[in-house]
Amino acid sequence: GAGVSQSPSNKVTEKGKDVELRCDPISGHTALYWYRQSLGQGLEFLIYFQGNSAPDKSGLPSDRFSAERTGGSVSTLTIQRTQQEDSAVYLCASSLGAGGDLPRTAFFGQGTRLTVV
Amino acid sequence: AQKITQTQPGMFVQEKEAVTLDCTYDTSDQSYGLFWYKQPSSGEMIFLIYQGSYDEQNATEGRYSLNFQKARKSANLVISASQLGDSAMYFCAISKAAGNKLTFGGGTRVLVKP
Repeated sequence: GAGVSQSPSNKVTEKGKDVELRCDPISGHTALYWYRQSLGQGLEFLIYFQGNSAPDKSGLPSDRFSAERTGGSVSTLTIQRTQQEDSAVYLCASSLGAGGDLPRTAFFGQGTRLTVV
Repeated sequence: AQKITQTQPGMFVQEKEAVTLDCTYDTSDQSYGLFWYKQPSSGEMIFLIYQGSYDEQNATEGRYSLNFQKARKSANLVISASQLGDSAMYFCAISKAAGNKLTFGGGTRVLVKP
């Protein structure tokens, strides 16, 4: 697609429920990233995919968080047994990927605003 | 580890004037990139400008320019001829070549006054 697409744009869920957030990267981008932005805060890195593998999961805050990517394209971020502190905007980004001598510019989707009540 | 510091939490600028947003960074990598993103109230992160650590010239993109001072580890963003639509949060970020994970600063909120 023309840009990074995320769905849903908004999600309200009850505490304890599981949620799935979807990211569709820019076509041809092999790298995909998930970030979290809590109210009034900067962006916190969660996980990085290169193709279908995740060489860096260091930002996942707990084992309730997991992510997968299939076909080198769409990624799903799953949060199990949601807690109120999980309320945030979840942003996905994609880039041409690692390799070469220089970092690649990441382009972001519009995010999913998750509210846990 | 990489770190970005943005010391200005918020600032006002008069329409049509220039504004400089400060960004300092810390990294042990030899090769890295510096990025600026704009986040309007809609929430989308919009890429503005990129500076590579080995680039000798400062990057420019339209009304945006990056004042890169490698020895001082600073990468300030200059917005010339501010417009009302420039009102937003601005984030400075750093990435290394391998992995490309971005580390962001805390952001600077800019409000352009008519």
